[in-house]
Amino acid sequence: NAGVTQTPKFRVLKTGQSMTLLCAQDMNHEYMYWYRQDPGMGLRLIHYSVGEGTTAKGEVPDGYNVSRLKKQNFLLGLESAAPSQTSVYFCASSPSEDTQYFGPGTRLTVL
Amino acid sequence: SQKIEQNSEALNIQEGKTATLTCNYTNYSPAYLQWYRQDPGRGPVFLLLIRENEKEKRKERLKVTFDTTLKQSLFHITASQPADSATYLCALDVGNYGQNFVFGPGTRLSVLP
Repeated sequence: NAGVTQTPKFRVLKTGQSMTLLCAQDMNHEYMYWYRQDPGMGLRLIHYSVGEGTTAKGEVPDGYNVSRLKKQNFLLGLESAAPSQTSVYFCASSPSEDTQYFGPGTRLTVL
Repeated sequence: SQKIEQNSEALNIQEGKTATLTCNYTNYSPAYLQWYRQDPGRGPVFLLLIRENEKEKRKERLKVTFDTTLKQSLFHITASQPADSATYLCALDVGNYGQNFVFGPGTRLSVLP
């Protein structure tokens, strides 16, 4: 039981490049979330999903897109990366409104 | 505006003492509140959840209180140990029961031997 995994662990992009972050969970959870964490600002919700095929915007959705084609996967896309998107990205999943289980994070640097 | 504050960015205490961390919020009416622990370079780990109709929750050496009138939660670690050193985050449910969370900035706790 791997829990929540994130791919890749590190990535460096140039401004304007695109990339996709993959989150996978093997706990059959309905809810999945993408956060970014910046120093002094805590975790901020980017997008979330309450089930396969559904997505919704969180607090800071601009510049990001998401898809949840399969229940176990939640993808976060950056269409045209900007230096302001340099951050640590965390994925989480949850069976209900209770506990969130977080992945190990992806450290992204945009030059 | 809506805001979540945690008492201080960093807190140092002596081993064996009780650590008390504070989470204050304004302009939210959360149905429940969670506390997480985060170690450097790792994702947050869930510790406790307390609902709006609960005053106190305990788990081993941890205790959480929730005062919806004061809009405040207190997180206590009794008999603290150096292994308790980490950043502690509070998180509020702010809509649609579990579908939208807001996190505080965290308090970095250091327990000194």
